[in-house]
Amino acid sequence: GAVVSQHPSRVICKSGTSVKIECRSLDFQATTMFWYRQFPKQSLMLMATSNEGSKATYEQGVEKDKFLINHASLTLSTLTVTSAHPEDSSFYICSARDLSGVPHEQYFGPGTRLTVT
Amino acid sequence: GQNIDQPTEMTATEGAIVQINCTYQTSGFNGLFWYQQHAGEAPTFLSYNVLDGLEEKGRFSSFLSRSKGYSYLLLKELQMKDSASYLCAVMDSNYQLIWGAGTKLIIKP
Repeated sequence: GAVVSQHPSRVICKSGTSVKIECRSLDFQATTMFWYRQFPKQSLMLMATSNEGSKATYEQGVEKDKFLINHASLTLSTLTVTSAHPEDSSFYICSARDLSGVPHEQYFGPGTRLTVT
Repeated sequence: GQNIDQPTEMTATEGAIVQINCTYQTSGFNGLFWYQQHAGEAPTFLSYNVLDGLEEKGRFSSFLSRSKGYSYLLLKELQMKDSASYLCAVMDSNYQLIWGAGTKLIIKP
């Protein structure tokens, strides 16, 4: 089956610094990738939809200048959390959609645990 | 607005059967997914229903009624490793997944 990798799996950073998270589709081309955030004991919250070669579409309430998304190739999307604060500590998960597959299933990366101190 | 409802938490006994319900109201429908998520891990795909009826896959089955906006996930012969959250998600007319809050399933010996 389709595999999506995420790097790093865990990161601890100091308040005010920036962190970049990579999401890669390993064996398929993903024109669309999704970035989710999940706080403890809560469901997935879609942050943004990343389309290759164009600007990301952000969900309401998500600051696009704080959460920078770049989808430069069909296999790589990156999320940069700029000027991170403790409230940004969360589990960030990416997923990729393989349009050649049926039924447009999303394949999830293993997630990145971000802790901001 | 779009809405997915599922129970917050359920408890069942090892070896038993449990049914997790999901009701939805979405703008358009392109299928309903069930995912399993263990604590601290990403969701993993369990099932997909786009037509009415029951889809069986081993110990897990998923049912859909589009006219009622209703689905359930049925887990048989429960094992301790089935303790997890089960997420119901509907793909809307824009092929975007709308997620339920998840049902935490606790399995007791």
